[in-house]
Amino acid sequence: AQSVTQPDIHITVSEGASLELRCNYSYGATPYLFWYVQSPGQGLQLLLKYFSGDTLVQGIKGFEAEFKRSQSSFNLRKPSVHWSDAAEYFCAVGLMEYGNKLVFGAGTILRVKS
Amino acid sequence: NAGVTQTPKFRILKIGQSMTLQCTQDMNHNYMYWYRQDPGMGLKLIYYSVGAGITDKGEVPNGYNVSRSTTEDFPLRLELAAPSQTSVYFCASRGETQYFGPGTRLLVL
Repeated sequence: AQSVTQPDIHITVSEGASLELRCNYSYGATPYLFWYVQSPGQGLQLLLKYFSGDTLVQGIKGFEAEFKRSQSSFNLRKPSVHWSDAAEYFCAVGLMEYGNKLVFGAGTILRVKS
Repeated sequence: NAGVTQTPKFRILKIGQSMTLQCTQDMNHNYMYWYRQDPGMGLKLIYYSVGAGITDKGEVPNGYNVSRSTTEDFPLRLELAAPSQTSVYFCASRGETQYFGPGTRLLVL
């Protein structure tokens, strides 16, 4: 069955430090990959997406992610974290089944310390 | 352009009560979805629709019903609320990607 794994439930980084959030997926075909961010009490906002082509994709708010087929990974990175980046981050795979539904990882909560 | 809107934002139900969660999108998207989000579990698909008049079950449909009479609206119905339905519910519509509403937080006591 298709699945998305985010191995880190919580991550704490200092403001100004670099960030990498890990995401691994299990899916037989070439996946559509997404990263969403959710601030407390808010809905999900799309940070970036990968459909095909260049494996390094740029998103909003200075985030980027790299698709590595050999590792079945789509890790999210940011070179310098800001306090406003504190939120929960979800990796998702888009499937052809169920009307192109998204399968989500369990999420990673990012805390930023000053 | 409001995107995806959901009402109510928060609701407390007693066991056995019923309610409808409203979802409206103004982007003329054919595809719409209902997810529930439980702590530490990510989002799970409840129902989806590929267009007006067409709906189908997702991964966790038990205890819910939907309808899609117009392109804009995709309400989710809980007929007999149970504590297991305490969750945050998100509606989404899909253009190139999925756009999510702000969510409805439901507590069943």
